[in-house]
Amino acid sequence: QKEVEQDPGPLSVPEGAIVSLNCTYSNSAFQYFMWYRQYSRKGPELLMYTYSSGNKEDGRFTAQVDKSSKYISLFIRDSQPSDSATYLCAASWGKLQFGAGTQVVVTP
Amino acid sequence: DGGITQSPKYLFRKEGQNVTLSCEQNLNHDAMYWYRQDPGQGLRLIYYSQIVNDFQKGDIAEGYSVSREKKESFPLTVTSAQKNPTAFYLCASSATGGDVQPQHFGDGTRLSIL
Repeated sequence: QKEVEQDPGPLSVPEGAIVSLNCTYSNSAFQYFMWYRQYSRKGPELLMYTYSSGNKEDGRFTAQVDKSSKYISLFIRDSQPSDSATYLCAASWGKLQFGAGTQVVVTP
Repeated sequence: DGGITQSPKYLFRKEGQNVTLSCEQNLNHDAMYWYRQDPGQGLRLIYYSQIVNDFQKGDIAEGYSVSREKKESFPLTVTSAQKNPTAFYLCASSATGGDVQPQHFGDGTRLSIL
């Protein structure tokens, strides 16, 4: 079983909607949690980086970590077609473990 | 602009051939990493280096080799022993090893078999 699980999607939403992405993880030792955005044929770009539980907001992006339920979330408000990409969650404790990525499509 | 440069963008390998993927960073980062990305499997760690002249195997090191002779460079060789080399290869770096600093990625090299 993978240490970080992520629904591959695709997740299709209309422009302006809230995109809700989730991951679960199994290793309770994970302390650092990240979300990356990856466009086709490009490398992952770091979006959010959080330590332990709680919320972090950056512009239209909000990351949440619930360590009690081992759940990681990313919310994108006012979604735009340019948000169409694959979103990777990752968790780390000594070694970085990635989810497989969720493909998001924002339709105009 | 600081960043990570991977070259070439596309690479083709013949049977029995070794090929080398280049990764250069000008971020003054100590740690560098190589990942392999296959559809539906996420990123898997091949090798990593936390300091010059030192590197460690990741989860899928068989059939690959690396060197770290300079801080800014971490080339990856895909040897003929790697029987399924077709994948998207990503190089990353972080200011220090471990968890405190996040990893940043280059734009990858896509390797295919001829």
